[in-house]
Parts: sequence; C-alpha cells; structure tokens
Amino acid sequence: ETGVTQTPRHLVMGMTNKKSLKCEQHLGHNAMYWYKQSAKKPLELMFVYSLEERVENNSVPSRFSPECPNSSHLFLHLHTLQPEDSALYLCASSQEDNRGYDEQYFGPGTRLTVT
Amino acid sequence: GQNIDQPTEMTATEGAIVQINCTYQTSGFNGLFWYQQHAGEAPTFLSYNVLDGLEEKGRFSSFLSRSKGYSYLLLKELQMKDSASYLCAVSDSNYQLIWGAGTKLIIKP
Repeated sequence: ETGVTQTPRHLVMGMTNKKSLKCEQHLGHNAMYWYKQSAKKPLELMFVYSLEERVENNSVPSRFSPECPNSSHLFLHLHTLQPEDSALYLCASSQEDNRGYDEQYFGPGTRLTVT
Repeated sequence: GQNIDQPTEMTATEGAIVQINCTYQTSGFNGLFWYQQHAGEAPTFLSYNVLDGLEEKGRFSSFLSRSKGYSYLLLKELQMKDSASYLCAVSDSNYQLIWGAGTKLIIKP
C-alpha cells in the first residue's frame, strides 16, 4: 500500500467516448503528477500540480485535461482519444520542497485501451 | 537534449549478484533515483544518490559517479521476487525527474 490510489484500474474506451481517471493520495503531499507509461519507453511526465496549481504541462494534446480540486485529488479527463493513447497512466505524489530529494510515491496505474 | 540510458533486459540466476548500469546526460543534477516496478504494479522507491559513492541498503546498493554521469544498482543474493523492472531517474536543474526506459530483470532458478 503506497498511499496513492487510482481508479479505475482498467479502462476500455472508444475514440468518441469521454471518461475520467481519478487519483487520490493519503500522504499529505503538496504535489501530484500524471505520467504516461508505454511499453519499453521512459515514463512521460504529462502534468504536475503543486499546491493545486498546474506548474508543468509537457505539450500534452488537449484531448487530455487535468483537474486538481484539492491537494489530495487529481483527475485526468479524456475525450476523443486515439489508439496510440493506449498505455498505463500513473499518478504520483510528493512533498515538494526543492531540495532535490523529491521521492515520488506512485499509484498502481490505470491500464487504458482505446479502441 | 536530456538522456538516460540503461539496458533493456538482463537475466541472472537466483542467489547470484547483478549490476544494472545507468548513464545520464542532463541539464543540471540534483540527485539520481532508482525505482523498482513489478509487472502490473506501481513503481516503488529503492534509493537516492546525490553525492559520489556507494549507498548500501540491505541486499541492494546504489553507486554514483557524477563526473562520469554514471550510476549502478547492485542486487545481491538474488531472489525470485527481485524479477521486476528497475527504473533510473535523474532530477535535473529544475528538479524535474528525467526517466530511463527501465531494465527488465529476469531471475532464473
């Protein structure tokens, strides 16, 4: 148990669907992250929220829309996705203090398949 | 550009020792992390190095040479449960983590 939960664990959606991924952290951290993990590729950072403000958006397509209503919850809203968006989506949290030691705690991920 | 290199896959025998290498080229350096990820599970933190040298933690050790842009993770007395992917990540000048693609370690009896 890492203190970070994600739902759903598996999701199959068509290209015209709208769905949302949910992440919740129970660690009292002040930063949350969305990553995309594709087979044999490095983790791709999608979004970073620090103190509920988005501080990083690594040129992610607009069909992915994040929402951070408070420091414990993070959502990723999905619409009109493409088959190449099929991947494992990981949420992480950390206590950000810019000392360099910024250990991230990961959730188990949502395995997304776009058909 | 920023780059992290590590072998794609390694195989080792139960009870043996294995060393997983990681080389990096990043804009700035604020530490190097190793994470373990079992198939279908979340990555979990193993170690953090920011100064040169060896950090030992039970059966796992991590080494860093900043001048060479090089680190390794050393796993001793391998157990079947050590079969997993091992991810190397570097914190750059903006404290953003740059990730390697991971090394899949296969342990054979």
